[in-house]
Amino acid sequence: DGGITQSPKYLFRKEGQNVTLSCEQNLNHDAMYWYRQDPGQGLRLIYYSQIVNDFQKGDIAEGYSVSREKKESFPLTVTSAQKNPTAFYLCASSISGTGPDEQYFGPGTRLTVT
Amino acid sequence: AQSVTQPDIHITVSEGASLELRCNYSYGATPYLFWYVQSPGQGLQLLLKYFSGDTLVQGIKGFEAEFKRSQSSFNLRKPSVHWSDAAEYFCAVGARGYSTLTFGKGTMLLVSP
Repeated sequence: DGGITQSPKYLFRKEGQNVTLSCEQNLNHDAMYWYRQDPGQGLRLIYYSQIVNDFQKGDIAEGYSVSREKKESFPLTVTSAQKNPTAFYLCASSISGTGPDEQYFGPGTRLTVT
Repeated sequence: AQSVTQPDIHITVSEGASLELRCNYSYGATPYLFWYVQSPGQGLQLLLKYFSGDTLVQGIKGFEAEFKRSQSSFNLRKPSVHWSDAAEYFCAVGARGYSTLTFGKGTMLLVSP
């Protein structure tokens, strides 16, 4: 089955630690996205990548970093500089980087930082 | 830049009753419009999309939406709601030539027996 995998589903970290969230897709999509979801805030775009080895900041990139070394992988690192990292993180992909196209979403990772 | 407004944070509908969720967008050119549904703790699933052509769009699970340019709206409808439709619904807008979407803040649908 083609789709997007995010792991782990739940992640717990101590304040001051960096943490990396995994996102893998086997849909052969060019574009990938990271969103942050907080209650009542909808989805806010953190970073996106339209093609391998290239990525752009979204609306709330501060305190986050990404890489896109392989087409199927787009990991997100939440750094200690992110002031409020506790949230639900969603990864998505779309077939083209020149869209807009339907975005396919992973099941999400809930990060809790204490 | 485009924006999306979903005026209703929560809506409660009786099972079997009809449903309409509102979505208003702001964008100067022809928008690309989407409705997604999210069950608690899950990712989003596409219900339907509008790119061009017929302004009444049919989607999955019996949902439909109508694009009204004059009202800058793309409201989601279902004639008879089932308890399993209880979820959060997001409207999103995209612009030609750009891969990113702008999402509304969502409407939580509660279904009463």
